[in-house]
Amino acid sequence: VQLLESGGGLVQPGGSLRLSCAASGFTFSSSAMSWVRQAPGKGLEWVSGIGGSGGSTYYAGSVKGRFTISRDNSKNTLSLEMNRLRVEDTAIYYCAKKRSTGDTCGFDIWGQGTLVTVSS
Amino acid sequence: EIVLTQSPATLSLSPGERATLSCRASQSVDNYLAWYQQKPGQAPRLLIYDASNRAAGIPARFSGSGSGTDFTLTISSLEPEDFAAYYCQQRTNSMYTFGQGTRLEIK
Repeated sequence: VQLLESGGGLVQPGGSLRLSCAASGFTFSSSAMSWVRQAPGKGLEWVSGIGGSGGSTYYAGSVKGRFTISRDNSKNTLSLEMNRLRVEDTAIYYCAKKRSTGDTCGFDIWGQGTLVTVSS
Repeated sequence: EIVLTQSPATLSLSPGERATLSCRASQSVDNYLAWYQQKPGQAPRLLIYDASNRAAGIPARFSGSGSGTDFTLTISSLEPEDFAAYYCQQRTNSMYTFGQGTRLEIK
């Protein structure tokens, strides 16, 4: 069971970046997924989530209108398109799997994270 | 947005002692609360889901309690590997927020 993020890097303010998360070892299409970020030396911040089918998406207020979450269940891949990036978006971005379907709270599988740095 | 407030910010204890970490929500989250442990340079690890259920492979010394707005994570007897940061997380209408964290350090 594994999640592997990629796509991080250095980008200028106002720029764009696309993160990917490759899933393996579980039924990806049945699993709600999220992106969670952590600024250097700071706590965790939930960024965005998506249902198993991809039909429902959710965003934190800090990224709504700038970030777009999506998934390709045929490729077991989760994505996060980030536009109009700001310095304060600098963080390690983790993808995470909701532990089960239905009414529950907890992300049981996490990737190792990918670092996004927004700087001129 | 539901705000989670964790206390204390830092907790200094010795191995073998009991640790009690608190998480308070700005409004009721029923039992939709999780606890995570994070060590430097690592991803978070799920400890407790739905307020009081231990995740797979989590030792019995970790326990969670509470409902509504007040929650507690208890570590009954600290092991050296337990010194880390701990975060609570709530879920409401498929949206999530995290507390600011408690750092558990060796006294």
